[in-house]
Amino acid sequence: AQSVTQLGSHVSVSEGALVLLRCNYSSSVPPYLFWYVQYPNQGLQLLLKYTTGATLVKGINGFEAEFKKSETSFHLTKPSAHMSDAAEYFCAVRDGGSQGNLIFGKGTKLSVKP
Amino acid sequence: NAGVTQTPKFRVLKTGQSMTLLCAQDMNHEYMYWYRQDPGMGLRLIHYSVGEGTTAKGEVPDGYNVSRLKKQNFLLGLESAAPSQTSVYFCASRGGYNEQFFGPGTRLTVL
Repeated sequence: AQSVTQLGSHVSVSEGALVLLRCNYSSSVPPYLFWYVQYPNQGLQLLLKYTTGATLVKGINGFEAEFKKSETSFHLTKPSAHMSDAAEYFCAVRDGGSQGNLIFGKGTKLSVKP
Repeated sequence: NAGVTQTPKFRVLKTGQSMTLLCAQDMNHEYMYWYRQDPGMGLRLIHYSVGEGTTAKGEVPDGYNVSRLKKQNFLLGLESAAPSQTSVYFCASRGGYNEQFFGPGTRLTVL
């Protein structure tokens, strides 16, 4: 069965510092992987996705993620944090079943200190 | 394009009352989903639909019913609300490569 583990329910960084949010997955089929962001009192918005092809994926707002099959990881990074990046981030993997629903991690709340 | 919209945005119910949450999408997507979000639990799938006239159970379907009479609409019903159903409810529809598009959510409190 597919599953997603996000390491760290809370991550705090200083403004201008590197952002690294960790995601490990398990999948019985070639994975489609997603990162979503949720700002306070809003719905989820897609940051980036990996389906096939290039393993380094660039998304919106300067975020990127690298698919590493050998490590079953899809960590999210941003070189320099901005105050506006404070939000909750969710990693998701496509379910290997016939419906292809998404399995979500429990989320990582990112705080950015001035 | 409005994308995915949800009504209402907020609702307070008393235990035992019923209500219906409405989700609408204008992207002509076949698949639609209802999730609930609780602190520390992430998103949990309640029910989903793979097309007009179809519905299926997700991870936490008990206490909820759904209907998909029109392709663009997906309704979530609570027949007899319980405090355990206090949550934020999100609707989503699915596009290409299994990407899901989310609505803004409905915050429900059951007293």
